[in-house]
Amino acid sequence: AQSVTQLDSQVPVFEEAPVELRCNYSSSVSVYLFWYVQYPNQGLQLLLKYLSGSTLVKGINGFEAEFNKSQTSFHLRKPSVHISDTAEYFCAVSSSGAQKLVFGQGTRLTINP
Amino acid sequence: DGGITQSPKYLFRKEGQNVTLSCEQNLNHDAMYWYRQDPGQGLRLIYYSQIVNDFQKGDIAEGYSVSREKKESFPLTVTSAQKNPTAFYLCASSTTWQQGHEQFFGPGTRLTVL
Repeated sequence: AQSVTQLDSQVPVFEEAPVELRCNYSSSVSVYLFWYVQYPNQGLQLLLKYLSGSTLVKGINGFEAEFNKSQTSFHLRKPSVHISDTAEYFCAVSSSGAQKLVFGQGTRLTINP
Repeated sequence: DGGITQSPKYLFRKEGQNVTLSCEQNLNHDAMYWYRQDPGQGLRLIYYSQIVNDFQKGDIAEGYSVSREKKESFPLTVTSAQKNPTAFYLCASSTTWQQGHEQFFGPGTRLTVL
């Protein structure tokens, strides 16, 4: 069975500082990996996804993530955050043939001025 | 514009009442999903449907029911058997043939039981 662990439930950072949100997964087959963002009282929006190919994936709003198969990780990074990045971020995994996404518990990113 | 709509945005219900949450999509997606979101628990899958007139239970289906009579609609009924229904409910859809099965989400319905 697949599972996703987001290692930090909350991450506070100062504006313009870099940030990394950590995600580890477990799966016995090839995986597809996703990062979603949720602003308060809204649905989820896709930030980026890894399906195959280059392990460094660039997404919207300046975010990027790196797929590391040996460490089963898919950490999300941004070199300089803005107040508008305050939101909850979810990592998710699926696999070929699976119709379901498995989500992590989420990481709340708080940006302090 | 294509997308997913959920209604109502806020819903209040008395204990013992059934209530139905609406989800409509015009993306021509085959698959649709219902999730429940509680603080600190991420998203948990309630039901999903890959094609019309077919659906499967997710991880927390007890106390919920669904129907899929049309491709674009996937309503969720929260029954009185659901012990703790107060939560944020999210509907999503995806194209089953697309590699990676990216899901698109609606804006959500917040249900409060009084």
